[in-house]
Amino acid sequence: GAGVSQSPSNKVTEKGKDVELRCDPISGHTALYWYRQSLGQGLEFLIYFQGNSAPDKSGLPSDRFSAERTGGSVSTLTIQRTQQEDSAVYLCASSLDVGSYQQYFGPGTRLTVT
Amino acid sequence: DAKTTQPNSMESNEEEPVHLPCNHSTISGTDYIHWYRQLPSQGPEYVIHGLTSNVNNRMASLAIAEDRKSSTLILHRATLRDAAVYYCIRAIERTSGTYKYIFGTGTRLKVLA
Repeated sequence: GAGVSQSPSNKVTEKGKDVELRCDPISGHTALYWYRQSLGQGLEFLIYFQGNSAPDKSGLPSDRFSAERTGGSVSTLTIQRTQQEDSAVYLCASSLDVGSYQQYFGPGTRLTVT
Repeated sequence: DAKTTQPNSMESNEEEPVHLPCNHSTISGTDYIHWYRQLPSQGPEYVIHGLTSNVNNRMASLAIAEDRKSSTLILHRATLRDAAVYYCIRAIERTSGTYKYIFGTGTRLKVLA
């Protein structure tokens, strides 16, 4: 079946602009996760959703970052007033449920802020 | 402090076993330990996970210390395709039933032919 998909695959934006990154999880997966990976760095956990609610937003780097999930499916990560340090690959994953369940990762969105 | 620590890099010869350590000294009883790996230019992929007992699957084995303060991912016979960054992750269950995921910094495994 279809895996996790993300769009766009690449995004170049000017500093100060807002961007929206989209994630389509695997159908039936209740949990959805967002991660960030800066060039040459490890994975940084941003936020996860259980259904439509995000129990823990403390991983979001600043208040310029927000995420929402509607209908228990598609999620959008929004970055307002982008800065150059926001340049990274943003990865989305989904799993049947949280905790012990295997996460399936999407291909990521490469964001470049110029 | 819920730190998960791993060595930055390791090397192994092809077809030899590899033991990748992870320290999670502040782990609590309901925290799961997950391992994922990231091959070059790809998204992470699941390897294995466990809670208290040692676990085996077709990819690897996970040995969890009796006090659960550390774990070891074991690749029984390393191949060149196993060259990747291996992440050890704690899934911390909170009293509210929600989870927080703490990633290790990852170990870059180099497999020598």
